[in-house]
Amino acid sequence: GAVVSQHPSRVICKSGTSVKIECRSLDFQATTMFWYRQFPKKSLMLMATSNEGSKATYEQGVEKDKFLINHASLTLSTLTVTSAHPEDSSFYICSARPGEVGLAGYYEQYFGPGTRLTVT
Amino acid sequence: GIQVEQSPPDLILQEGANSTLRCNFSDSVNNLQWFHQNPWGQLINLFYIPSGTKQNGRLSATTVATERYSLLYISSSQTTDSGVYFCAVGARVTGANSKLTFGKGITLSVRP
Repeated sequence: GAVVSQHPSRVICKSGTSVKIECRSLDFQATTMFWYRQFPKKSLMLMATSNEGSKATYEQGVEKDKFLINHASLTLSTLTVTSAHPEDSSFYICSARPGEVGLAGYYEQYFGPGTRLTVT
Repeated sequence: GIQVEQSPPDLILQEGANSTLRCNFSDSVNNLQWFHQNPWGQLINLFYIPSGTKQNGRLSATTVATERYSLLYISSSQTTDSGVYFCAVGARVTGANSKLTFGKGITLSVRP
């Protein structure tokens, strides 16, 4: 249980184009999803918190107009990298929280397999 | 924001040896998770352990919330245990959104 998928797993795009990454919770509903970014041999940095039906909350320093997040349903969140440039090349990982109020593990997050973006 | 420190940064073990990985954090938490990141980048949930002790096979973890640290124990290590181990915490003040702050990770290499 608690499986999160991401699509695509790997994408190469040209500078100036936009790329959409999908994050799906396969066997649970997730009112909250999170988007992280990881550079080679570095830790994960939270980019934004996405709540179903409302605007995403972005971390300080993350450009919300460049990284568009849409959480349209309880099982799907999307991250669109707009007008991508080589410095946007990175490993993007989403997570989802299936917890219900009052249950043990309420705050536990499950992670997708990640999407490796290369901008040429 | 909350600070997370993991130690040691790198660890080399001979197959069969035991090890202890440490995670210190700077504030009260409502979430603490240990992950193993495999060579393809997938984060594998090892433990959800904001307090107490849990065991799963050769792995066990203990979190002493009052002293703000957690330990991950690996016994009888195998080469497949190699990879990066992350500790991540959710500060209690963040409430329901409970965003995770990650440590820098511990790179474990188990040699045959």
